[in-house]
Amino acid sequence: ETGVTQTPRHLVMGMTNKKSLKCEQHLGHNAMYWYKQSAKKPLELMFVYSLEERVENNSVPSRFSPECPNSSHLFLHLHTLQPEDSALYLCASSQFSGRGSYNEQFFGPGTRLTVL
Amino acid sequence: RKEVEQDPGPFNVPEGATVAFNCTYSNSASQSFFWYRQDCRKEPKLLMSVYSSGNEDGRFTAQLNRASQYISLLIRDSKLSDSATYLCVVNQRSGNTGKLIFGQGTTLQVKP
Repeated sequence: ETGVTQTPRHLVMGMTNKKSLKCEQHLGHNAMYWYKQSAKKPLELMFVYSLEERVENNSVPSRFSPECPNSSHLFLHLHTLQPEDSALYLCASSQFSGRGSYNEQFFGPGTRLTVL
Repeated sequence: RKEVEQDPGPFNVPEGATVAFNCTYSNSASQSFFWYRQDCRKEPKLLMSVYSSGNEDGRFTAQLNRASQYISLLIRDSKLSDSATYLCVVNQRSGNTGKLIFGQGTTLQVKP
């Protein structure tokens, strides 16, 4: 089993749909992340779950809703998205050592999302 | 000013060339630094961490200059397989946690 898995790999949805992205890590890490990667832009951190604390990027619209039921699973619930939300959504995990120290992040393969 | 700034390139070099990428960061409180590699339509993967004293891994050398807030990556004897986008990543402390800030990436194309 690879370290970080994401499903689905590709998703096409209409603006009125509700869908969820799933991420699972098999590395025993205690921190998980959602990133958005749009064409020609840097990876944008969306959400972090670390030591049961959620750190949320204030610029993330409420139509994106994360859920972290345990340290191995992370979801991103999507509803009423806009076409500009089309992007590659990457999940990552790492071991958080405390006091702002993050070790290497391992990324999943991503979900390529298209909003029509 | 962007928090982490890289020249997007592309850098087009022949096989066997030496190429260097630079990266600047704006937050002097940044704690740790990394270079990631991202192949086309794939996820980023850690290439190497960057240590204060500089570090080398085979053909790759990373340097950190805290005074100038500048990181570099040197690739010697470029291979075709080195073609990818190289992401400069900075870990910034944020309260009791931290966050990774990614640069836009520098694209390298190694030609035969």
